Amino acid sequence: GAVVSQHPSRVICKSGTSVKIECRSLDFQATTMFWYRQFPKQSLMLMATSNEGSKATYEQGVEKDKFLINHASLTLSTLTVTSAHPEDSSFYICSARDLGADNSPLHFGNGTRLTVT
Amino acid sequence: GQNIDQPTEMTATEGAIVQINCTYQTSGFNGLFWYQQHAGEAPTFLSYNVLDGLEEKGRFSSFLSRSKGYSYLLLKELQMKDSASYLCAGLDSNYQLIWGAGTKLIIKP
Repeated sequence: GAVVSQHPSRVICKSGTSVKIECRSLDFQATTMFWYRQFPKQSLMLMATSNEGSKATYEQGVEKDKFLINHASLTLSTLTVTSAHPEDSSFYICSARDLGADNSPLHFGNGTRLTVT
Repeated sequence: GQNIDQPTEMTATEGAIVQINCTYQTSGFNGLFWYQQHAGEAPTFLSYNVLDGLEEKGRFSSFLSRSKGYSYLLLKELQMKDSASYLCAGLDSNYQLIWGAGTKLIIKP
């Protein structure tokens, strides 16, 4: 089945530094990928929709200059958390949908646990 | 507005059957998904319904009634590893997923 690979799975960084998270669709092309954030005991919150070859669409309240998204190819999207702060500590998850397959679900990466100290 | 409602928490016994309900209101409708999420992990896909009726997949089944804006996930022969959160999500006319808050399922021996 379709697989989405997300890397790294876990990262600890110091306040003020930047962290890049990669999301790859391994066996299908994804013109659109989605980035979610999940705080403990809360539901998934959509941060932004990443579109290949164009600018990402950010949800209300999400700072586009802080969460930089690049979708340079049909199989890779990256999320960079710039000047990270402790409140950015969260579980970040990407997902993609194989638009070439009828009624395909969203496939999720395994997530990245970010801890900012 | 768009909304997905599902119970916050349910408890069931190992070996038993449990039904998790979900009601939805979306702008347009392109299907309904169920995902399973274990604590600290990403969600995994369970089912997708776009037509009315019951879809069976092993121990898990999912039902949809579009006229009632209602779906349920049925889990049979419960195992301890089924303890997880179950997320209901509707796909709206723009193909955006509208997520429920999830139902935490606790399985007791």
